[in-house]
Amino acid sequence: GQNIDQPTEMTATEGAIVQINCTYQTSGFNGLFWYQQHAGEAPTFLSYNVLDGLEEKGRFSSFLSRSKGYSYLLLKELQMKDSASYLCAVIEDSNYQLIWGAGTKLIIKP
Amino acid sequence: DAGVTQSPTHLIKTRGQHVTLRCSPISGHKSVSWYQQVLGQGPQFIFQYYEKEERGRGNFPDRFSARQFPNYSSELNVNALLLGDSALYLCASSGRTANTEAFFGQGTRLTVV
Repeated sequence: GQNIDQPTEMTATEGAIVQINCTYQTSGFNGLFWYQQHAGEAPTFLSYNVLDGLEEKGRFSSFLSRSKGYSYLLLKELQMKDSASYLCAVIEDSNYQLIWGAGTKLIIKP
Repeated sequence: DAGVTQSPTHLIKTRGQHVTLRCSPISGHKSVSWYQQVLGQGPQFIFQYYEKEERGRGNFPDRFSARQFPNYSSELNVNALLLGDSALYLCASSGRTANTEAFFGQGTRLTVV
């Protein structure tokens, strides 16, 4: 079956670093996405990983380990505007549909 | 360039009615996917269309149907609406069927009363 797990909620302090984990169990794997979604808005793309390792993009980095079915999103120098839900999504081999986690609500405190 | 556009942005319908949601992808994108997102949950895949053909279908009842037009715009139709169909319906466009970033529209907020 398909299963993507993320923590429901995390809290961090402005200026700090936070790591949001995602574990997945899918019948196939053709890449993993991270999206940011502010309340009431559509998701916006953050990163895509298909090979093992770390992808860095400004304050955001994403890591993938295919053998462990594990990814994390690392956010540095947190800003208040980073308060949002962060969604992990996997492309299976079949159908090319995105399988989504429930999202992690990140709360940033001053 | 215009992003993905969806219409309407908000909609209120009565149980048993039907609804048609519309999506225009980014210019040049040939793939459109539809997702349902219930409050507090991640999106759930409904359909994917590429070059006007259905390429994938999620675990939704036959009350849900969709199509893609020659200009790559798409419609999602839901018949015999239930209260549980109340959700944010998201449309995403991408250049190919897989492995490319999906760009989302602002969504249609459907409320069934």
